[in-house]
Amino acid sequence: QKEVEQDPGPLSVPEGAIVSLNCTYSNSAFQYFMWYRQYSRKGPELLMYTYSSGNKEDGRFTAQVDKSSKYISLFIRDSQPSDSATYLCAMRGNTGNQFYFGTGTSLTVIP
Amino acid sequence: DTEVTQTPKHLVMGMTNKKSLKCEQHMGHRAMYWYKQKAKKPPELMFVYSYEKLSINESVPSRFSPECPNSSLLNLHLHALQPEDSALYLCASSRGAGNTDTQYFGPGTRLTVL
Repeated sequence: QKEVEQDPGPLSVPEGAIVSLNCTYSNSAFQYFMWYRQYSRKGPELLMYTYSSGNKEDGRFTAQVDKSSKYISLFIRDSQPSDSATYLCAMRGNTGNQFYFGTGTSLTVIP
Repeated sequence: DTEVTQTPKHLVMGMTNKKSLKCEQHMGHRAMYWYKQKAKKPPELMFVYSYEKLSINESVPSRFSPECPNSSLLNLHLHALQPEDSALYLCASSRGAGNTDTQYFGPGTRLTVL
């Protein structure tokens, strides 16, 4: 079983839709949870990060962590064509330097 | 400033060449990472430096040789690479062990091995 599971998509939505991206994980020691956006042929860009459980909102983006279910989500409201990218979840525990990535979900927002 | 810079942006090399990739950050981060990313795949961890010491080497072939000259710089020396080594090489940094929250990535170096 992989440490982090993420549906690779592709996911295609109309402009203005609410997008829900998800990851599940198996290691209960994970404490830090991140979402990265990666445009084609570019490096990943940090979008959101949360520590432990709860919600975090930043503009059109909301990150949710449910540690009891080992499930994290990223919601994008009022999606725009510029949101078209691959979204990677990543996570790690309290010790060590190793981060674990999901496979990434490819999102296309159609104008 | 949350910037990690990488040079060069693109690199084409033959299998007998020796080249180096460079990474720099000025955020005071004490952990730095090299990742390799193939198309449509997540980044794969290669090396981790923590406080300028190699702490993780994910069984990377010896034709890749990392170096951390100081806390702001990270190099990846390349020698006798194979065409299958062609990929996007990403550098990242984070605050450091014991207080590491997240990683910040550079834009990557796109390497093509002929």
